Amino acid sequence: DAKTTQPTSMDCAEGRAANLPCNHSTISGNEYVYWYRQIHSQGPQYIIHGLKNNETNEMASLIITEDRKSSTLILPHATLRDTAVYYCIVRVATKGNTPLVFGKGTRLSVIA
Amino acid sequence: DGGITQSPKYLFRKEGQNVTLSCEQNLNHDAMYWYRQDPGQGLRLIYYSQIVNDFQKGDIAEGYSVSREKKESFPLTVTSAQKNPTAFYLCASSGLGGRYEQYFGPGTRLTVT
Repeated sequence: DAKTTQPTSMDCAEGRAANLPCNHSTISGNEYVYWYRQIHSQGPQYIIHGLKNNETNEMASLIITEDRKSSTLILPHATLRDTAVYYCIVRVATKGNTPLVFGKGTRLSVIA
Repeated sequence: DGGITQSPKYLFRKEGQNVTLSCEQNLNHDAMYWYRQDPGQGLRLIYYSQIVNDFQKGDIAEGYSVSREKKESFPLTVTSAQKNPTAFYLCASSGLGGRYEQYFGPGTRLTVT
């Protein structure tokens, strides 16, 4: 699986959009980009995933560049409850399941 | 409610004792996983199982053992051979196919003294 690079930490004002970047320059054509987040002392929570098109759901939007070498997770109106570690993961799409490989992620602090 | 349950939430053991962590899912998922997390670190894969009666070692399998006798259950035993067992243990499951997201349980925090 391709490696990802994320900033160690970011701050965001409450009510503003939080834009979390991720670099995955060695991504292959059959690899999806996944985003998870982990609130302190809880299990990680799935947010969104995509292959090449931009995706949106009730939690966030995922913008993937045309060359697929980077992506941005957007939380449109961050709240204090969005304070968490956010993980960007690249995963091969195969018939069987491949485990997720977690890096250290980005620690997002939403500030009142 | 559908989901993954892990019990207990907190577990305390004396050094030298084996301990088994429970993980149950009612999502009808074929694949299940065990991860370990140390303070300030990401998750590291211990074992995973794609089907019943089959499992593979992850990156840090030494000192751990698993079984997968039923689709719904994937217990993890932390043996006395594990040198640093104190950690946060997370179980997850997913459907077949790489595009299916993994769902995580609430975790078990194990402390060995």
